[in-house]
Amino acid sequence: NAGVTQTPKFQVLKTGQSMTLQCAQDMNHNSMYWYRQDPGMGLRLIYYSASEGTTDKGEVPNGYNVSRLNKREFSLRLESAAPSQTSVYFCASSGAGGYNEQFFGPGTRLTVL
Amino acid sequence: SQQGEEDPQALSIQEGENATMNCSYKTSINNLQWYRQNSGRGLVHLILIRSNEREKHSGRLRVTLDTSKKSSSLLITASRAADTASYFCATDNYGQNFVFGPGTRLSVLP
Repeated sequence: NAGVTQTPKFQVLKTGQSMTLQCAQDMNHNSMYWYRQDPGMGLRLIYYSASEGTTDKGEVPNGYNVSRLNKREFSLRLESAAPSQTSVYFCASSGAGGYNEQFFGPGTRLTVL
Repeated sequence: SQQGEEDPQALSIQEGENATMNCSYKTSINNLQWYRQNSGRGLVHLILIRSNEREKHSGRLRVTLDTSKKSSSLLITASRAADTASYFCATDNYGQNFVFGPGTRLSVLP
């Protein structure tokens, strides 16, 4: 039981390049989330998916797109990376209902030059 | 904008002492959760307290919730060096998303 997995662990991009961050969970959770964490800022929600086939914007969605490929997988795409997107990205998942904890992946450390 | 705000931003104590950190929030919540993050790792869930609960315990952790003051506190008793981490509160605002505060960095010195 791997929980939440993310790939890659580290990535360096040049400004303007694109990439997709992958996330998968094996806990049969309905909800999945993408966060970014900047120093001293805590976690900020980029996008979330309450169930397969649905996605919604969070606090900081600009510059990102997401795909809920199936119940297990939720990817985050940067179409044209900018230095302001240098951050650590975390994927999380949780069960349905209002009293569920979130389970986090190990994170992807992204640097945009 | 951040819903939860932890206080203090950083806390340094000796092993065996108790550590208390606080969280304030702005709007009505369904529940409030505390998470721990070790350096370079993902967040790990510690405890959840519902809006109709006032206190909850889990091992050496005690969480209180005061909805009239829109605040919560996390107490770690008899701290250990392994408790060194950042601690975040997260509020569930009756929706599908959570809002995290900026965290409290706890250092437990041997």
